Amino acid sequence: AQSVTQLDSHVSVSEGTPVLLRCNYSSSYSPSLFWYVQHPNKGLQLLLKYTSAATLVKGINGFEAEFKKSETSFHLTKPSAHMSDAAEYFCVVTHNTNAGKSTFGDGTTLTVKP
Amino acid sequence: DTGVSQDPRHKITKRGQNVTFRCDPISEHNRLYWYRQTLGQGPEFLTYFQNEAQLEKSRLLSDRFSAERPKGSFSTLEIQRTEQGDSAMYLCASSFSAGRNEQFFGPGTRLTVL
Repeated sequence: AQSVTQLDSHVSVSEGTPVLLRCNYSSSYSPSLFWYVQHPNKGLQLLLKYTSAATLVKGINGFEAEFKKSETSFHLTKPSAHMSDAAEYFCVVTHNTNAGKSTFGDGTTLTVKP
Repeated sequence: DTGVSQDPRHKITKRGQNVTFRCDPISEHNRLYWYRQTLGQGPEFLTYFQNEAQLEKSRLLSDRFSAERPKGSFSTLEIQRTEQGDSAMYLCASSFSAGRNEQFFGPGTRLTVL
């Protein structure tokens, strides 16, 4: 079994300040973890992925995430928020098996204030 | 454009009618997934195919739902006798056949059942 909990449904930051979106997961197997972003009326876009290589993962648009097995966490961070970062963010866990079925968190809405 | 495409983008129907959605995956991908997303929630897995074989179906998928991928390329999702609770965004994704590979999502089909 696998599950994902995004700890904040809404996060609001000021432009230029750091972003932290929190994600905890549970998985019976060694997981792959992903962060996706969804802008209004746009499709889901992959930000970054962890697949058992380096625990600190860098993604697009300055985002990065750190896989912490002991804490079962995969928090997403960015040093300085930009107005264009305002969107819905989803943390996703996938089994490293042939199944490939993904479980999504409920999402975190990021608001960036000018 | 070589991304995942879905048709139609929007569908409004009356309760009790049948609807069919189409998904064209990225051509090199042999896995195809269907998800359903309702407002304020993350996408929920419905079913997936490896080539033309439907390998897993969620318990969310009632008998009114059926999906096919006849030649291992495009897929269709049919909902029979639609209900108001079927109103949602239906997302299609494709990937290579390994758990570590990210899924590429289409723009979705928004279904409204009146």
